[in-house]
Amino acid sequence: QKEVEQNSGPLSVPEGAIASLNCTYSDRGSQSFFWYRQYSGKSPELIMSIYSNGDKEDGRFTAQLNKASQYVSLLIRDSQPSDSATYLCAVMGTGGFKTIFGAGTRLFVKA
Amino acid sequence: DTAVSQTPKYLVTQMGNDKSIKCEQNLGHDTMYWYKQDSKKFLKIMFSYNNKELIINETVPNRFSPKSPDKAHLNLHINSLELGDSAVYFCASSQDLVAGGHNEQFFGPGTRLTVL
Repeated sequence: QKEVEQNSGPLSVPEGAIASLNCTYSDRGSQSFFWYRQYSGKSPELIMSIYSNGDKEDGRFTAQLNKASQYVSLLIRDSQPSDSATYLCAVMGTGGFKTIFGAGTRLFVKA
Repeated sequence: DTAVSQTPKYLVTQMGNDKSIKCEQNLGHDTMYWYKQDSKKFLKIMFSYNNKELIINETVPNRFSPKSPDKAHLNLHINSLELGDSAVYFCASSQDLVAGGHNEQFFGPGTRLTVL
């Protein structure tokens, strides 16, 4: 079982729709959870972090965490073509230093 | 103004050569990392240093040797380069939990290594 799993996609949504990206993790003691966005040929960029159960909103982005289900998600409202990128889920496990990245979900937003 | 910088951005070399990649961060972070991203875009941690001390050393060939002369710098030296070493190498830094951070990582622009 992979430590952090994501659907590789591609996920295709029309402009203005909600994009929903999902991630599951195996280490029940994980403490911190992150979403990074990576455009083609660029480095990963942190867009959201979440540490406790529930929802966290930042502009058009909402991160959701359910530790009991070991599940993290990212919602992007009013999706724009500029949101087209690969979204990496990352989980910091027990111990506090090692962050494991998922393989990423490719998102395409069609104009 | 660059937070995490790496040099060089591109590196093309022959098999068997030795090369180095340099990384510097001006964020005042305590922890620095090297990641390898292969052609399938999977981002895999190689090494991590916290306050110049090696804390993560994943299963990486011993041809790869990291060095951290101070908290702001983490270099990667690769001996006897092989075709399979071709990838993008990212440096990153973060503020660790002890120092009051949450290990949110900031990445450098990457070094694209091509071994011919």
